[in-house]
Amino acid sequence: GENVEQHPSTLSVQEGDSAVIKCTYSDSASNYFPWYKQELGKGPQLIIDIRSNVGEKKDQRIAVTLNKTAKHFSLHITETQPEDSAVYFCAARFPYKYIFGTGTRLKVLA
Amino acid sequence: DGGITQSPKYLFRKEGQNVTLSCEQNLNHDAMYWYRQDPGQGLRLIYYSQIVNDFQKGDIAEGYSVSREKKESFPLTVTSAQKNPTAFYLCASSISPSLAGVADTQYFGPGTRLTVL
Repeated sequence: GENVEQHPSTLSVQEGDSAVIKCTYSDSASNYFPWYKQELGKGPQLIIDIRSNVGEKKDQRIAVTLNKTAKHFSLHITETQPEDSAVYFCAARFPYKYIFGTGTRLKVLA
Repeated sequence: DGGITQSPKYLFRKEGQNVTLSCEQNLNHDAMYWYRQDPGQGLRLIYYSQIVNDFQKGDIAEGYSVSREKKESFPLTVTSAQKNPTAFYLCASSISPSLAGVADTQYFGPGTRLTVL
């Protein structure tokens, strides 16, 4: 069935270090993969996305990589800052809807 | 939060009551979605609508109802049949899920926190 698995569930890093969050999806027909950042009590905000015809995308300190063969994609945050602390969700687009991962709580320690 | 508004921000319900959560968007998006989020969990799809006057059940539709009479509005009613309604409810919209090849990014509202007393 349609499924997205996300790991790890929690991640603590020292300020300035890199953070990597990984997701796998079940349906090879999925063609679009967004990443969202959610701060406490707020709605998720799109931070980066990638389409299935692209292997990597970067936006300043954030990058996403996609391996269609293995059906997994990853979020990379470099030079982490305290304001990066939040819950991050991956998602995969299935026909007419999205399936979300269970989230990763990132804590950046000053 | 873009052009999606949800109201109220906090809502309290007594057992046996129906309550309606509002979601409005001014992005001219065709598709709208309702998700439920429980502590420490991901987003679970309740209902979605691809076009006005049409909607489909998501993964956890039992105890909920929706309507889509206008393109910009997609209210969610939490009925008394929903046994455990306390959660954070998120509304989202996207351009159109039916256009092949279009990356119809979902944009989320700020959410409504519903608590059953």
